[in-house]
Amino acid sequence: DAKTTQPTSMDCAEGRAANLPCNHSTISGNEYVYWYRQIHSQGPQYIIHGLKNNETNEMASLIITEDRKSSTLILPHATLRDTAVYYCIVRAGGTSYGKLTFGQGTILTVHP
Amino acid sequence: EAQVTQNPRYLITVTGKKLTVTCSQNMNHEYMSWYRQDPGLGLRQIYYSMNVEVTDKGDVPEGYKVSRKEKRNFPLILESPSPNQTSLYFCASRGQIREKLFFGSGTQLSVL
Repeated sequence: DAKTTQPTSMDCAEGRAANLPCNHSTISGNEYVYWYRQIHSQGPQYIIHGLKNNETNEMASLIITEDRKSSTLILPHATLRDTAVYYCIVRAGGTSYGKLTFGQGTILTVHP
Repeated sequence: EAQVTQNPRYLITVTGKKLTVTCSQNMNHEYMSWYRQDPGLGLRQIYYSMNVEVTDKGDVPEGYKVSRKEKRNFPLILESPSPNQTSLYFCASRGQIREKLFFGSGTQLSVL
């Protein structure tokens, strides 16, 4: 799986959009970009994933650059409950994969 | 309700005393996995299972055993626990390819 690079921490004001970047310059054509978050010591929670098109669901939007070397997770109206560690993971699709590696993630702090 | 259930939530034991952490999922998922989380090291995969009777090592399998005799259960076994296995453990499951991972609530293990 391709390596990802995320900032260690970010701040965001409540009600504003939180834009979390992720670099994955060695991504290959069959690898998807996944985002998870972990609130305090709870189990990680799936947010969104995509291959090359931008994706949106009820939680967030995922913007993937045209060359797929980086992506941005957007929380459109951040709340205090969005304070968490956000993990960007790149992983191949298909039946062959089993290992899933979480990096250090980005600590997002949403403040009033 | 779809969920991954881990037991116990907290466990304190002594060095060398065999223990088992149970994991059960009610979603008929084929894939299950165990992770440990330590400060500064993030989430690291211990073992995973692609289906019944099929298990494979993750990144940190030493000192652990798993079994997958039935689809819903994936217990983590520590035959002779040591203090360096003190950690927060998570079980996860996944259904079809590229589908999201569902995590349990975690088991905080302390080995004295």
